[in-house]
Amino acid sequence: SQTIHQWPATLVQPVGSPLSLECTVEGTSNPNLYWYRQAAGRGLQLLFYSVGIGQISSEVPQNLSASRPQDRQFILSSKKLLLSDSGFYLCAWRTGYNSPLHFGNGTRLTVT
Amino acid sequence: AQSVAQPEDQVNVAEGNPLTVKCTYSVSGNPYLFWYVQYPNRGLQFLLKYITGDNLVKGSYGFEAEFNKSQTSFHLKKPSALVSDSALYFCAVSGAGGTYKYIFGTGTRLKVLA
Repeated sequence: SQTIHQWPATLVQPVGSPLSLECTVEGTSNPNLYWYRQAAGRGLQLLFYSVGIGQISSEVPQNLSASRPQDRQFILSSKKLLLSDSGFYLCAWRTGYNSPLHFGNGTRLTVT
Repeated sequence: AQSVAQPEDQVNVAEGNPLTVKCTYSVSGNPYLFWYVQYPNRGLQFLLKYITGDNLVKGSYGFEAEFNKSQTSFHLKKPSALVSDSALYFCAVSGAGGTYKYIFGTGTRLKVLA
């Protein structure tokens, strides 16, 4: 069966520090991969999505970046965090564009 | 461009009563529509989807949704609400025009009162 792993579950980082959040999917190949940010337990903001290795689409210009070095690995990064980067980050995957998304358990990032 | 709107921030319903959570969409082409539920500090869980066919879609935990093309709506319904249904509900749209974007509404908090 397919599973998605996202870590860490919580993270507290100072302003200006780098960030690396990792997401991996098991049990499927060539998934579509997504990063979302959720602020204050409400709407999900689509940050990045990827339909293949090395293919990244960015939805919001900001100081975050994403990479997909392997088929089932999706990484969210920042060189210097801002206070406004705080939030709940969710990774998700699916097999095709009429398929539902399957979410990881999320990473709660607090930038201090 | 594709988008979904959830006009209600919160819906309160008494346990045992029917519930409706509203969603309207805007897409060019045929929409792929989805409903998800989120419990505190967790990822979203898929409830049901509309791709094509029957306008009434049945999903998990007794939920169903009605697709209405003329009103561009996809409302989530349940005949009898449970206290355990209290959660945050999201409508989403994807795939219209062949895009891989997956866009969520702003969410509706459902509170079922005992």
